[in-house]
Amino acid sequence: DTAVSQTPKYLVTQMGNDKSIKCEQNLGHDTMYWYKQDSKKFLKIMFSYNNKELIINETVPNRFSPKSPDKAHLNLHINSLELGDSAVYFCASSLGLAGGIEQFFGPGTRLTVL
Amino acid sequence: GQQLNQSPQSMFIQEGEDVSMNCTSSSIFNTWLWYKQDPGEGPVLLIALYKAGELTSNGRLTAQFGITRKDSFLNISASIPSDVGIYFCAGQLFSGTYKYIFGTGTRLKVLA
Repeated sequence: DTAVSQTPKYLVTQMGNDKSIKCEQNLGHDTMYWYKQDSKKFLKIMFSYNNKELIINETVPNRFSPKSPDKAHLNLHINSLELGDSAVYFCASSLGLAGGIEQFFGPGTRLTVL
Repeated sequence: GQQLNQSPQSMFIQEGEDVSMNCTSSSIFNTWLWYKQDPGEGPVLLIALYKAGELTSNGRLTAQFGITRKDSFLNISASIPSDVGIYFCAGQLFSGTYKYIFGTGTRLKVLA
């Protein structure tokens, strides 16, 4: 009964590969987010979706493509992985425009690009 | 882009001591939030502040929303070993949707 879940927890891959990270929330929230946390622990928002529509896209390379099949899921697909993509990626959700201040974060996916 | 600076970057304290950390910005925010991140997990919300000057407590934690709306501080009283972790402030803006800018983090280590 995890509120926000991500798979996989760890992902190790070679440069140039394409990979996906999945996120699901069972909180009934309208808004979902992807954040990137680098090795210095800086958390930076990448994308935000509200009811399956993209509402925030923060200067992220177009190798990153989020997909929201329904409002409970927000997946992140990354093409042509680069060394600099190594980081921990967090999915989060909130009530969003319905009035939610609190974001609930998933456990993170640690991506290592070799 | 917008940035929130937190200080100190890290601190070691003795169990039982009080801790203070703060967050400053060049921008005005509508809401300030404080999160804690344990190792290997995602951040968890500790306190949310909704208006300038507001002082809010959550157990041993107290946070304030600065009058200028450009800063906030978090105090932890009588620290215990499980307080160890990274504390993030986050400022929330609304321009068509809610957007959160996170601070640089304060790493807290508590010595028993």
